[in-house]
Amino acid sequence: DAKTTQPPSMDCAEGRAANLPCNHSTISGNEYVYWYRQIHSQGPQYIIHGLKNNETNEMASLIITEDRKSSTLILPHATLRDTAVYYCIVTLSGGYQKVTFGTGTKLQVIP
Amino acid sequence: GAGVSQTPSNKVTEKGKYVELRCDPISGHTALYWYRQSLGQGPEFLIYFQGTGAADDSGLPNDRFFAVRPEGSVSTLKIQRTERGDSAVYLCASSLTLAGDTDTQYFGPGTRLTVL
Repeated sequence: DAKTTQPPSMDCAEGRAANLPCNHSTISGNEYVYWYRQIHSQGPQYIIHGLKNNETNEMASLIITEDRKSSTLILPHATLRDTAVYYCIVTLSGGYQKVTFGTGTKLQVIP
Repeated sequence: GAGVSQTPSNKVTEKGKYVELRCDPISGHTALYWYRQSLGQGPEFLIYFQGTGAADDSGLPNDRFFAVRPEGSVSTLKIQRTERGDSAVYLCASSLTLAGDTDTQYFGPGTRLTVL
């Protein structure tokens, strides 16, 4: 079973920030939070990951709560090309990751 | 540099036939994963290779499924006596696997398998 819980779907207006929540209340101290997305008919694409500090890269920001039981992926200015299924997963660092994907959040960016 | 490639992109076969799906990982990546994705579901783990050996094949659904990676690069997923329930998109991913570091997986576009 997936270790994370995400809403099944969300809408976001084009140009606005998309905030995608994820609950991972059973996360252990050495597990990272990873986000991937899957655009229709493509393989999943890595977005960002973090352990306990907030992270930012050219694609998104990741905000992790202090107790690490939840996180939020932020797409600062959503575009139509950001329409995809977003997966939040937790996994150990380094070496082998037996990743368990859930069903993710289907983000629809609306013009 | 090239990403992960998978061939064929689409495969249609008849029930009972044998199929092979190929994955070319990113050059230098030591880890390779196979996943299966059914419509509306997230990818489901099948098997993981570290180098040439299958380090974890616990996700393979039954003994009709087998995968090899003889030279530690290209991998082939083999399905014998295909069944209609095997119809899905088969995804391959590779990663660099640096010890003590986080390990991002890079996915290929997948092979869509249809068993008639």
